Amino acid sequence: AQSVTQPDIHITVSEGASLELRCNYSYGATPYLFWYVQSPGQGLQLLLKYFSGDTLVQGIKGFEAEFKRSQSSFNLRKPSVHWSDAAEYFCAVRLSGGYNKLIFGAGTRLAVHP
Amino acid sequence: NAGVTQTPKFRVLKTGQSMTLLCAQDMNHEYMYWYRQDPGMGLRLIHYSVGEGTTAKGEVPDGYNVSRLKKQNFLLGLESAAPSQTSVYFCASKEDSNTGELFFGEGSRLTVL
Repeated sequence: AQSVTQPDIHITVSEGASLELRCNYSYGATPYLFWYVQSPGQGLQLLLKYFSGDTLVQGIKGFEAEFKRSQSSFNLRKPSVHWSDAAEYFCAVRLSGGYNKLIFGAGTRLAVHP
Repeated sequence: NAGVTQTPKFRVLKTGQSMTLLCAQDMNHEYMYWYRQDPGMGLRLIHYSVGEGTTAKGEVPDGYNVSRLKKQNFLLGLESAAPSQTSVYFCASKEDSNTGELFFGEGSRLTVL
């Protein structure tokens, strides 16, 4: 069955430090991959997506992610974290066919220390 | 710029009561979805719709019903609420495109006592 794993439940970084959030997926076909961010009390906002082509994708708010087929990974990165990046981050895979349903990981909660 | 609007945003129910959550989108999207979010479990798909008059079951459909009588609205019903349905519910919509993204509402927090 298709699944998305985010190994880190909580991550704490200092403001200005670099960030990498891990995401692994299990899916037989070429996946469509997404990263969403959820601020407290808010809905989910799309950060970036990968469908095909260049495996390094740029998103909003200075985030990027790299698709590595050999590792079944789609890790999210940011070179310098800002306090406003504190939120919960969700990786998701969309199933082709099956009416475009998204399967989400459990999420990683990011805390940023000043 | 309303996007996806969910009502109500908060609700407290007693076990056995019924209620309906309303999702409205103004983007003329074909696809609409209801997810529930629980701590440590991410978002799980309850039901979805690929167009007006159509609905289908997701991962966790038991205890819920849905209707899509109008393209812009997707209703989620709980006929007899249970404490296990205490959760935050998110509605999302998407255009009928292979590369379209999901747009989410701000969520509805439901507590069942």
